[in-house]
Amino acid sequence: AQTVTQSQPEMSVQEAETVTLSCTYDTSESDYYLFWYKQPPSRQMILVIRQEAYKQQNATENRFSVNFQKAAKSFSLKISDSQLGDAAMYFCAYRSDQRTSYDKVIFGPGTSLSVIP
Amino acid sequence: DGGITQSPKYLFRKEGQNVTLSCEQNLNHDAMYWYRQDPGQGLRLIYYSQIVNDFQKGDIAEGYSVSREKKESFPLTVTSAQKNPTAFYLCASSIGGGQLRGTDTQYFGPGTRLTVL
Repeated sequence: AQTVTQSQPEMSVQEAETVTLSCTYDTSESDYYLFWYKQPPSRQMILVIRQEAYKQQNATENRFSVNFQKAAKSFSLKISDSQLGDAAMYFCAYRSDQRTSYDKVIFGPGTSLSVIP
Repeated sequence: DGGITQSPKYLFRKEGQNVTLSCEQNLNHDAMYWYRQDPGQGLRLIYYSQIVNDFQKGDIAEGYSVSREKKESFPLTVTSAQKNPTAFYLCASSIGGGQLRGTDTQYFGPGTRLTVL
């Protein structure tokens, strides 16, 4: 069974600085998708970024980028020029791409990010 | 505007009562999901439905029931058999329909906070 691990329960960053959140996962599959979701105090889950495992190029979305290391099964999220609105829980998630299974998403335990003014 | 709505935002239940949480989407998505989130934890899948009139148990289905009579609606009933129902409940949807490869990302509603008195 697949698992997702986020080893940093809490992190903090100074406003305008850069922070990297870690995520590792365990799978025997070769095709899958990885996601980072953000959950601000409102508790709405918001998709931040998505990475297809078959793509070697790291995904980027404005100030958010990932470092996807398939062999190491690592999927870190880098937030550049941190803003106060980035303060939230961040969840790393995995979804299989096996056509014989439904698209179950497995979530990590989350990392709470604080942004210091 | 397309999106997912959940109601109510806050729900209080007495012990021994059944309560139903509403989830509606106008995204024309085939697949819908219910997750439970406890403090300091990630999301756990309760039930999912890939198509109307069909649904499957997730990882923690005991004490819960669902129905999927319409494509846009996926209500969750928390029964008196659920021993510890106090939690935050999130509904999600995705394109589904067997499109396991591609842009099948889950999008979330704003959640319902259930408290047992």
